[in-house]
Amino acid sequence: AQSVTQLGSHVSVSEGALVLLRCNYSSSVPPYLFWYVQYPNQGLQLLLKYTTGATLVKGINGFEAEFKKSETSFHLTKPSAHMSDAAEYFCAVSDVSNSGYALNFGKGTSLLVTP
Amino acid sequence: SQTIHQWPATLVQPVGSPLSLECTVEGTSNPNLYWYRQAAGRGLQLLFYSVGIGQISSEVPQNLSASRPQDRQFILSSKKLLLSDSGFYLCAWSVREGKRHEQFFGPGTRLTVL
Repeated sequence: AQSVTQLGSHVSVSEGALVLLRCNYSSSVPPYLFWYVQYPNQGLQLLLKYTTGATLVKGINGFEAEFKKSETSFHLTKPSAHMSDAAEYFCAVSDVSNSGYALNFGKGTSLLVTP
Repeated sequence: SQTIHQWPATLVQPVGSPLSLECTVEGTSNPNLYWYRQAAGRGLQLLFYSVGIGQISSEVPQNLSASRPQDRQFILSSKKLLLSDSGFYLCAWSVREGKRHEQFFGPGTRLTVL
């Protein structure tokens, strides 16, 4: 089965600094990968996704992620953090096990942006 | 455009009481529907998914059940709540075609069992 590991349950950056949230996956088949953002007491919103094709994927709110097969990684980046980026971020991989319908989520990374 | 609704937004229930959470989707037909539970520090756990009316698959044994009485309605239920049922419950949908598409989430229901 596919799985995701998010390194760092909490990340703190200064406003204007680079945001880097790490995600590594394990998959026996070419993965479909996703990043979601969750603001307090809200549902998850899709930031970006990788399926096939270009390995650098651009999403909403200035975020992007790069699929690196050799490193089994899908790290999320943003050049300049904004206070409004403070939220919980989840990486997910599509499950192609027998059930075939689940997204396997990491445990999340809480991003704190300081002035 | 598609929208997904969940209610209630928050719920406080005593142990042993019944539960009914509702999720409805608008703007799409024949969606796959999902119930997740989110506990602090544990990510999201898939509880149930449905590929059609009356078709429910359970991922985790528990005292919860799900039903899909209409194409765009998904209900999560329990006859007797446990303390461990507290959490944030999220409903999601995805397109029927293909098994690997992204899922779109509702606003969630915060359940506290006392």
